[in-house]
Amino acid sequence: KQEVTQIPAALSVPEGENLVLNCSFTDSAIYNLQWFRQDPGKGLTSLLLIQSSQREQTSGRLNASLDKSSGRSTLYIAASQPGDSATYLCAVMTTDSWGKLQFGAGTQVVVTP
Amino acid sequence: NAGVTQTPKFQVLKTGQSMTLQCAQDMNHNSMYWYRQDPGMGLRLIYYSASEGTTDKGEVPNGYNVSRLNKREFSLRLESAAPSQTSVYFCASSQRTGQNYGYTFGSGTRLTVV
Repeated sequence: KQEVTQIPAALSVPEGENLVLNCSFTDSAIYNLQWFRQDPGKGLTSLLLIQSSQREQTSGRLNASLDKSSGRSTLYIAASQPGDSATYLCAVMTTDSWGKLQFGAGTQVVVTP
Repeated sequence: NAGVTQTPKFQVLKTGQSMTLQCAQDMNHNSMYWYRQDPGMGLRLIYYSASEGTTDKGEVPNGYNVSRLNKREFSLRLESAAPSQTSVYFCASSQRTGQNYGYTFGSGTRLTVV
């Protein structure tokens, strides 16, 4: 059974610092990995999706890397802003569970002005 | 606005009561899902529907039933609510396009069972 872990559970940084969020998974037979953002009381918004054949994806200040062999993904957010405060979740789709996602518990991020 | 709509947003039930959570999507997606989110545990899949007319159990299906009424609508029913079902419930839909799965989530239903 795929297990997805996110460490740390919470993170606080001053504005302008770079954020580094970690996600690890136990089964390397993945189809893709996604990073989501969740604001309090809201649903999830997809940030980046990395296919299993890719090493990284970038969107603006966000960059996500994937090392399938070691079961790790990292989300980098450059020059953090208070508006980046949210919970970030990673989710894995394994090759035998088409369409279904296995989520980590998330990292709660606070960016202080 | 296009997306996934869930109703209600909040609900308080007494133990043993029943209720149905409604979900509708207007993106013409084939697949729909129900997840629950508990503190410190991430989202867990309750049931899913890969396409209209099919439903399957996910990781935590006990105590729930689902109905894929048509391509747009996927409802979740609690027949006899229990305090352990206190959670935030998310409906989602997805569509596979090539190698990409576009996933869209609703804003959630916060359910408290007392």
